[in-house]
Amino acid sequence: QQQVKQSPQSLIVQKGGISIINCAYENTAFDYFPWYQQFPGKGPALLIAIRPDVSEKKEGRFTISFNKSAKQFSLHIMDSQPGDSATYFCAASMLSGNEKLTFGTGTRLTIIP
Amino acid sequence: DTAVSQTPKYLVTQMGNDKSIKCEQNLGHDTMYWYKQDSKKFLKIMFSYNNKELIINETVPNRFSPKSPDKAHLNLHINSLELGDSAVYFCASSQGGTGDSDTQYFGPGTRLTVL
Repeated sequence: QQQVKQSPQSLIVQKGGISIINCAYENTAFDYFPWYQQFPGKGPALLIAIRPDVSEKKEGRFTISFNKSAKQFSLHIMDSQPGDSATYFCAASMLSGNEKLTFGTGTRLTIIP
Repeated sequence: DTAVSQTPKYLVTQMGNDKSIKCEQNLGHDTMYWYKQDSKKFLKIMFSYNNKELIINETVPNRFSPKSPDKAHLNLHINSLELGDSAVYFCASSQGGTGDSDTQYFGPGTRLTVL
């Protein structure tokens, strides 16, 4: 049972463009939605996270958009750079519960010059 | 200064062997985790410990046994290794219980190959 669905599986974007990765969740008890970035041979690292009481959070070139009624959230990377090429994972957890992170299936992002 | 460290980084072994992976965090966190990342990059939690107490135990074969000697260490012992155990295993830690956000910090991973 895949509780967090992520798309697309892979994405190629030109340098300077906008990269958009989408996630959908099923469990309405989830109350914390982080995005993790993973470079080859490294562990995932937190990029940005959002709670469901806001619809958008921006940090530099990275923005999370959150739609509680649709149970969807997305990551937007503005002015995408070659250094952004990595695998991105959305995740969800219940901070009021055991805080277990349920990850999406990952999106391999490639930024081309 | 490594926050979450794992040893070894690579582990190649034969089917049927027993092996251990060690994890240490110097962040002063209360909660530690083990994740398995398969060949398709799918990340799934296996175990979670809070202050040496087992909190999460997902559907994992009982050949996998975590051990937490203290809250800074969470080791993973695997008995009777099988081909399907080949994966990258990540240790992570978090402060836990903050009620607001709970960043998990991941180690560099241990790539286990079972021949």
